[in-house]
Amino acid sequence: DAGVIQSPRHEVTEMGQEVTLRCKPISGHDYLFWYRQTMMRGLELLIYFNNNVPIDDSGMPEDRFSAKMPNASFSTLKIQPSEPRDSAVYFCASSPITSGGYTFGSGTRLTVV
Amino acid sequence: QQQVKQSPQSLIVQKGGISIINCAYENTAFDYFPWYQQFPGKGPALLIAIRPDVSEKKEGRFTISFNKSAKQFSLHIMDSQPGDSATYFCAPPGGASKIIFGSGTRLSIRP
Repeated sequence: DAGVIQSPRHEVTEMGQEVTLRCKPISGHDYLFWYRQTMMRGLELLIYFNNNVPIDDSGMPEDRFSAKMPNASFSTLKIQPSEPRDSAVYFCASSPITSGGYTFGSGTRLTVV
Repeated sequence: QQQVKQSPQSLIVQKGGISIINCAYENTAFDYFPWYQQFPGKGPALLIAIRPDVSEKKEGRFTISFNKSAKQFSLHIMDSQPGDSATYFCAPPGGASKIIFGSGTRLSIRP
């Protein structure tokens, strides 16, 4: 079991550019979550999916953010256009059950300059 | 939508001492109370969890104590070691299964 795999590990981009973060959840996990972590705001839930269907996207900060899960083994979080305030560590997590432990990926550190 | 309050925000403990972190919650519908541990540069990892039908659970040096009437649960780390230095989050599931993370406690164990 390779765990939750995120790519890239680090991303530096210029303001206004499109950024795509990728996540491969653990096989068999029905739930996938995208979180953002900053010093100021801590860990924030952005959006989560159940069986590839977005369930709650109320945490997505703006229309510049979008997430997709085209199949059970892949999800993307896209920011277009990116802004410096989007700089953060973005985590993907997956879970096999509704109220159980989550497995997090190692995160993508995004820096927008 | 903060439904948990974690304290203290930071904690310094001498090696061998007991580290205690507390979490107060509001939602009485929570049925799973986990603690996550996060090291720098890593994602949070599930450390230990408890269901509300028991008042205490111990795994090695880590113990969860649960007080349903007070709507609080706490993490105790016995014989704290430098390798325990990390940020700890209480994170009971919220509505429709989404986890709401507390503000975190940065624990430092002094050698």
